[in-house]
Amino acid sequence: DVKVTQSSRYLVKRTGEKVFLECVQDMDHENMFWYRQDPGLGLRLIYFSYDVKMKEKGDIPEGYSVSREKKERFSLILESASTNQTSMYLCASRAGLAGPLGEQYFGPGTRLTVT
Amino acid sequence: AQSVTQPDIHITVSEGASLELRCNYSYGATPYLFWYVQSPGQGLQLLLKYFSGDTLVQGIKGFEAEFKRSQSSFNLRKPSVHWSDAAEYFCAVSLISNFGNEKLTFGTGTRLTIIP
Repeated sequence: DVKVTQSSRYLVKRTGEKVFLECVQDMDHENMFWYRQDPGLGLRLIYFSYDVKMKEKGDIPEGYSVSREKKERFSLILESASTNQTSMYLCASRAGLAGPLGEQYFGPGTRLTVT
Repeated sequence: AQSVTQPDIHITVSEGASLELRCNYSYGATPYLFWYVQSPGQGLQLLLKYFSGDTLVQGIKGFEAEFKRSQSSFNLRKPSVHWSDAAEYFCAVSLISNFGNEKLTFGTGTRLTIIP
């Protein structure tokens, strides 16, 4: 079974702090994704990575950066957390050769609260 | 711009009744379409997907979806719901980014409540 794990289920940070959200997958997938999920807005893509050290902005990249130094790990960074970044963050991975019908496998999510 | 619309925010269905969740897409070409489910406290799980061929697609957990090009719809159905189907359901379309990479765009979701 594909397993996508996220470093924390719940996280509370203060405004202005630098925040790291970590995601690890164990299936040697080339593609990894970071989404945020907000009530009434569904899932919105923040950033994705299609290979090590390769990244592309999603639909809402402002205020975020990412890092992918190893194939299995994809980090989301909030350089200076703000209260409007309070949200549920979901990580996903997908095999690069799976094509556009390839399934994305999701982690359980990190609920981040910024106070 | 390409988009996915789920017009129903919340639906309540009695256990054993039939279910239909609506999804409409806006996309120039034939889309790659998906339905995902998110159970409480869980990540998303793929229910089914469609690109071409038979317009009625079977998925896991007894779900099916029908692609109707004339209506730009990809509605999810189940003939008889179980209490364990209570969850949030997301329709999604696979798009090609400006740099040629594939990504998913999700609808806003429909929350399904099951009553006895």
